Amino acid sequence: GAVVSQHPSWVICKSGTSVKIECRSLDFQATTMFWYRQFPKQSLMLMATSNEGSKATYEQGVEKDKFLINHASLTLSTLTVTSAHPEDSSFYICSAPDYEKLFFGSGTQLSVL
Amino acid sequence: GDSVTQMEGPVTLSEEAFLTINCTYTATGYPSLFWYVQYPGEGLQLLLKATKADDKGSNKGFEATYRKETTSFHLEKGSVQVSDSAVYFCALSAGVQGAQKLVFGQGTRLTINP
Repeated sequence: GAVVSQHPSWVICKSGTSVKIECRSLDFQATTMFWYRQFPKQSLMLMATSNEGSKATYEQGVEKDKFLINHASLTLSTLTVTSAHPEDSSFYICSAPDYEKLFFGSGTQLSVL
Repeated sequence: GDSVTQMEGPVTLSEEAFLTINCTYTATGYPSLFWYVQYPGEGLQLLLKATKADDKGSNKGFEATYRKETTSFHLEKGSVQVSDSAVYFCALSAGVQGAQKLVFGQGTRLTINP
């Protein structure tokens, strides 16, 4: 089946720094990718829909200036957490559809000190 | 809005035990329902799905039946194996984007001991 690669799988950063997470579709093209966030013991929450060549669509309550999404090619979407703070520590996961199926990356655990 | 509630984990069972992971949902309209599984170090994978009431999804010995009257989609397996140890997510999709825009439960970590 299709493969979505997410990198890095975990990252620790200092408060105030920015962190970039990459999501690649390895053997298919994706005009749309989805970014989710999961806090401990809570649901995976959709943050935004990344659209190749145009602006991302953010879910209600998600700060677009804090979570910058760039979908510059048909196989790559990036999520940048800007000026990260400890409350941004979470598990971030991306997914991409191939026909009617969704394929997920393995996730990124972000810890902000 | 739409939501999914799963039984809280973690769940620990012995090999060959019977497994049930409860999942209930609230949604307007008629959503499709899914179970995803995440093995250690891997991405979520679709385990099974059901698209309408009374449908039964099945895969790898797992089953779940779409129960509209109880708004449930409980996951069951008759005899679990160590290799079933993973995190299981119940999810629903609704709206025009269908399976692409999902609402997830919080996940249930399952550990099977030999």
